[in-house]
Amino acid sequence: DAKTTQPPSMDCAEGRAANLPCNHSTISGNEYVYWYRQIHSQGPQYIIHGLKNNETNEMASLIITEDRKSSTLILPHATLRDTAVYYCIVINTNAGKSTFGDGTTLTVKP
Amino acid sequence: GAGVSQSPSNKVTEKGKDVELRCDPISGHTALYWYRQSLGQGLEFLIYFQGNSAPDKSGLPSDRFSAERTGGSVSTLTIQRTQQEDSAVYLCASSLGAGGASEKLFFGSGTQLSVL
Repeated sequence: DAKTTQPPSMDCAEGRAANLPCNHSTISGNEYVYWYRQIHSQGPQYIIHGLKNNETNEMASLIITEDRKSSTLILPHATLRDTAVYYCIVINTNAGKSTFGDGTTLTVKP
Repeated sequence: GAGVSQSPSNKVTEKGKDVELRCDPISGHTALYWYRQSLGQGLEFLIYFQGNSAPDKSGLPSDRFSAERTGGSVSTLTIQRTQQEDSAVYLCASSLGAGGASEKLFFGSGTQLSVL
């Protein structure tokens, strides 16, 4: 699986959009980008995933660059409950090891 | 069940003892994963099952660690002769196992293992 790089921490004001970047420059054509988040003392929670098109669901939007070497997770209106560690991972079309990096700790401030 | 269930939620053991951690995946999920998370750290991959077989055991840190899965469902992670550095939260996840577009992982709440 391709390695991902994320900033270790970010702050965001409550009600503002949180934009979390992820670099996956070695991604291959059959690898999907997945985002999860982990709120303190809980197991990680799925947020969204995509291959090459931008995706949106009730939780977030995922923007993938045309060359697929990076992506951005967007939380359109961050709330205090969105404070968590956000993980970006890439997964092959064949199920297997999903390697999590250290993630980005997002702190939403009032 | 409705979600991934792990037991026990907490386990305190003495150094040198063996422990077994259990994971009940979501019904119908063929893929099952074990991860370890030390305090303040990210998730460390341990092992992955597709059905009852484990095509990827690359993350097991030593031969004291083993895992099995029976009936394509319940999995047990066994740690023999526990050491203090084994103290961590052990997380289990399951997925449909269809790969790429369907590899959404559903995680349990984990087992907090403390080795004294």
